[in-house]
Amino acid sequence: DAGITQSPRHKVTETGTPVTLRCHQTENHRYMYWYRQDPGHGLRLIHYSYGVKDTDKGEVSDGYSVSRSKTEDFLLTLESATSSQTSVYFCAISDRAVSDGYTFGSGTRLTVV
Amino acid sequence: AQSVAQPEDQVNVAEGNPLTVKCTYSVSGNPYLFWYVQYPNRGLQFLLKYITGDNLVKGSYGFEAEFNKSQTSFHLKKPSALVSDSALYFCAVRDPMNSGGYQKVTFGTGTKLQVIP
Repeated sequence: DAGITQSPRHKVTETGTPVTLRCHQTENHRYMYWYRQDPGHGLRLIHYSYGVKDTDKGEVSDGYSVSRSKTEDFLLTLESATSSQTSVYFCAISDRAVSDGYTFGSGTRLTVV
Repeated sequence: AQSVAQPEDQVNVAEGNPLTVKCTYSVSGNPYLFWYVQYPNRGLQFLLKYITGDNLVKGSYGFEAEFNKSQTSFHLKKPSALVSDSALYFCAVRDPMNSGGYQKVTFGTGTKLQVIP
């Protein structure tokens, strides 16, 4: 997906360990989002950012934190991974909050064992 | 609270036939509506959106969607399905009347479209 990359693409980690996922964009978009995708739930918002150092919680933020120190990077940290956080994580960006569609990254498949 | 429903987990259609993927929504104001497509092991790709104006919206890959305010629906359509259209389709809604700096987007649970050769 042009302009937005996620790393790593796949990760297996043990319960209780911290994990950081990275989202990098080259579009200079203001808004960045972290979603998780689970069967039967669609996409659920974890956290979002509306500018450098400006972040806020989404609907499923417990156990997650984020940071945005530069426009282009948005990090998602699982402070102490649990099996319930096994999921596919997507980063998305948008230039304006209101009427724009989102551009999504290719996702990170995280497995917590 | 806003919500969106995709009543069908899977839709099967023969190649060359017209296809419809259904979406209904609930918002307090006039909605912004979106369709996305997800191919295996990929992120979601934006297909089309309805903000205002003509109720029939045209998007990428020959898809279109019809906004029906009275039925609170935004069904995705294509006149002639291709095998390559097989994917997961998500409807999403945003209520621009929501207060605050961020206007939440709510996604449906997705509909798997299977086009049979």
